[in-house]
Amino acid sequence: DADVTQTPRNRITKTGKRIMLECSQTKGHDRMYWYRQDPGLGLRLIYYSFDVKDINKGEISDGYSVSRQAQAKFSLSLESAIPNQTALYFCATSDSGQGRVKQFFGPGTRLTVL
Amino acid sequence: SQELEQSPQSLIVQEGKNLTINCTSSKTLYGLYWYKQKYGEGLIFLMMLQKGGEEKSHEKITAKLDEKKQQSSLHITASQPSHAGIYLCGADGQGAQKLVFGQGTRLTINP
Repeated sequence: DADVTQTPRNRITKTGKRIMLECSQTKGHDRMYWYRQDPGLGLRLIYYSFDVKDINKGEISDGYSVSRQAQAKFSLSLESAIPNQTALYFCATSDSGQGRVKQFFGPGTRLTVL
Repeated sequence: SQELEQSPQSLIVQEGKNLTINCTSSKTLYGLYWYKQKYGEGLIFLMMLQKGGEEKSHEKITAKLDEKKQQSSLHITASQPSHAGIYLCGADGQGAQKLVFGQGTRLTINP
């Protein structure tokens, strides 16, 4: 089974709808992240959480909100979706050990806002 | 804030040829990560470099970190179709745990 899972994998919605993307992990990591990927722009950080009670805005948080329901679950919400939020969304996790630690990525959710 | 610039943005090579992808940072590199992404899929971790001059290899892929130049390179020897995908470099700042990514390099291998 995959260590980092995302649901749904694909979603098409209309402008103005509320959307929730979910991420679950079995790696036991404290840190979780949400990124979006747009062609030619790489990955940009939306929100990150270093533990259940810690939520931080990333580079592009406007129009998004998150919820860390448990150590293993981190959800991303679009309160009122707009077309320029069409993108590939990735969840990632990392350990909280000292020094540099790599991030593990989920398979991504492809979101289309019409 | 730190920015990473990858070059080239797109690369098409004949199977069996060698190739290099570069990642240049606007600030000092403390930790540099290379990931590979198959089209439309998740990112697979390749290598992490932490020290100036550090070089790591995995199968036919070698990554180097030139701290003075604030640059890392990824070199693939004798490319194969399985090497095709998007390669992304990521960097974290001193003591930081957030990654900033380059825009990616799309690699196509022609048989």
